[in-house]
Amino acid sequence: AQKITQTQPGMFVQEKEAVTLDCTYDTSDQSYGLFWYKQPSSGEMIFLIYQGSYDEQNATEGRYSLNFQKARKSANLVISASQLGDSAMYFCAMSPLDFGNEKLTFGTGTRLTIIP
Amino acid sequence: NAGVTQTPKFQVLKTGQSMTLQCAQDMNHEYMSWYRQDPGMGLRLIHYSVGAGITDQGEVPNGYNVSRSTTEDFPLRLLSAAPSQTSVYFCASSRGASGTQYFGPGTRLLVL
Repeated sequence: AQKITQTQPGMFVQEKEAVTLDCTYDTSDQSYGLFWYKQPSSGEMIFLIYQGSYDEQNATEGRYSLNFQKARKSANLVISASQLGDSAMYFCAMSPLDFGNEKLTFGTGTRLTIIP
Repeated sequence: NAGVTQTPKFQVLKTGQSMTLQCAQDMNHEYMSWYRQDPGMGLRLIHYSVGAGITDQGEVPNGYNVSRSTTEDFPLRLLSAAPSQTSVYFCASSRGASGTQYFGPGTRLLVL
């Protein structure tokens, strides 16, 4: 079984500052994928970034980067130079790679609010 | 290219009624999944499919049925709705192990 823990229910960050959203995971699978999704108030789920468990380099996608520390089982999302439009719920998720990505296990999310 | 579409957007049911939530994708994705999202919680997997004719249960399958007769469609059936099934339902699809999951806009279901 897989488990995702997000310990920050809510965060307030000043605009243009960097923000780190915490995510720890637990799994007995040897290979797995880690994901971050953004859910704005409109409700849709938006894919942000992906990290494979065998990837040695941290994933980056524009202002998003995933700080992957395999030994600590953590996969924190870093948003550089935050913007007002970054205000949303953020979910960390994982999937066993053997099953593809159709079996995502999600954390409970972190609500990020960017303050002007 | 519409991506993943879901209908209806919102539905109110009475306890015991049945209904089908529709999901379709036009990206020729092999994998499709249904999730539910309850307040204060992340999404939980209900059922998933790795191809036409193949389905399997996720974390919370009780009270739901699925079938996958075509690559494009993956309907979710509520056989006898219960208030505990009040939730937002998301359908998602992906190309496979290296593919990103694309989510539909969601269906908000209220069971009275």
